[in-house]
Amino acid sequence: EVQLVESGGGLAQPGGSLRLSCVASGFTFSSYWMHWVRQAPGKGLVWVSRINTDGSRTTYADSVKGRFTVSRDNAKNTLYLQMNSLRAEDTAVFFCARDLGYGSFDCWGQGTLVTVSS
Amino acid sequence: QSVLTQPPSASGTPGQRFTISCSGSTSNIGSNTVNWYQQLPGTAPKLLIHSNNQRPSGVPDRFSGSKSGTSASLAISGLQSEDEADYYCATWDDSLNGGVFGGGTKLTVL
Repeated sequence: EVQLVESGGGLAQPGGSLRLSCVASGFTFSSYWMHWVRQAPGKGLVWVSRINTDGSRTTYADSVKGRFTVSRDNAKNTLYLQMNSLRAEDTAVFFCARDLGYGSFDCWGQGTLVTVSS
Repeated sequence: QSVLTQPPSASGTPGQRFTISCSGSTSNIGSNTVNWYQQLPGTAPKLLIHSNNQRPSGVPDRFSGSKSGTSASLAISGLQSEDEADYYCATWDDSLNGGVFGGGTKLTVL
């Protein structure tokens, strides 16, 4: 079964850091581009970042550029999102998603909640 | 303010044919394929339509997608109570060099 499981969410103070992980199983992780998408409480979906198959190319939304870093370890079938300089407006459920191609996300994790508050 | 524009809410009755619109621009919908997602309350989004009009396996053929110029639409025929959910359109934006979503449409089945 194709599965993505996120972890690492929690409470962080403004200006603090968190690292999210997304463990993939049931498919050849190293063959797929991967993305992070977030959803603030009661709000819509917002694309955050993407990474290519070998980790050499990354892209970010303007709202997180310079603060967030996406990476992957294909040997561990794991995607990461290092989040620094966190702000209250970063509070959201973060989903990792597999890119089917053409920028469509055919498999999503269950999400992990990040709360930024003092 | 989302880059792609969808009506925030809509309602329909069981059995009805229903359409959700998604409006963009030349840098996003006009240049790239459109995908649609369904999100049931408290769950992760599910891919309904990719590449404008392609259904992943397991998605009922009641769901269909289309695109024309800088707009796209999702059609649901034979509306059912279990279709009550939030629906999002999405694509890539070449100017922003990033993914973009619509604000979502909350569909209520009366």
